[in-house]
Amino acid sequence: AQRVTQPEKLLSVFKGAPVELKCNYSYSGSPELFWYVQYSRQRLQLLLRHISRESIKGFTADLNKGETSFHLKKPFAQEEDSAMYYCALSGLSGGQNFVFGPGTRLSVLP
Amino acid sequence: GAVVSQHPSRVICKSGTSVKIECRSLDFQATTMFWYRQFPKQSLMLMATSNEGSKATYEQGVEKDKFLINHASLTLSTLTVTSAHPEDSSFYICSARARSRENIQYFGAGTRLSVL
Repeated sequence: AQRVTQPEKLLSVFKGAPVELKCNYSYSGSPELFWYVQYSRQRLQLLLRHISRESIKGFTADLNKGETSFHLKKPFAQEEDSAMYYCALSGLSGGQNFVFGPGTRLSVLP
Repeated sequence: GAVVSQHPSRVICKSGTSVKIECRSLDFQATTMFWYRQFPKQSLMLMATSNEGSKATYEQGVEKDKFLINHASLTLSTLTVTSAHPEDSSFYICSARARSRENIQYFGAGTRLSVL
């Protein structure tokens, strides 16, 4: 069964500090992993996906199949990064539905 | 970028009435649309998946007669909450996945339903 876990409900860091939002998954086939972000009073939007292997807004995430993880990292957090972050999983073929993790609220303190 | 419009953004209705929520993909054709429900401070819970021209697939525990989904065209899906009750009060979010684009969901802004 598909499952996504995000162990931290809330993560607070100071501005300029490194941040890592953890995501672990379980999936029997080849997964596609995503990070979605929801800023205050805005809709959910895609932040990045593992297939793209790109850095968005300074964030990166590497898929570790051995550890079944897809942690989101940023070396220097900014106050505008404060938001709700959701890790999500889908089958690579695209026919499967998305499964969202419970979300982690990141609070970057001044 | 792809835009998904969801309407209304907020609706208040009396118990027993039906409410229709629309989800439109504005600049792309959406072969698949998803409907989620989000409780306060919780993650999104997938309710159903609708493919254009076919019946929606409901997740376990979601009453299909209660939550009617219609995906009549490649740009429009509707969710109708029938005979709404206060426990149906929630935040409903739709998303759309394009035919020609990659496996990415584009989300609507959500609808806050309050049943009195």
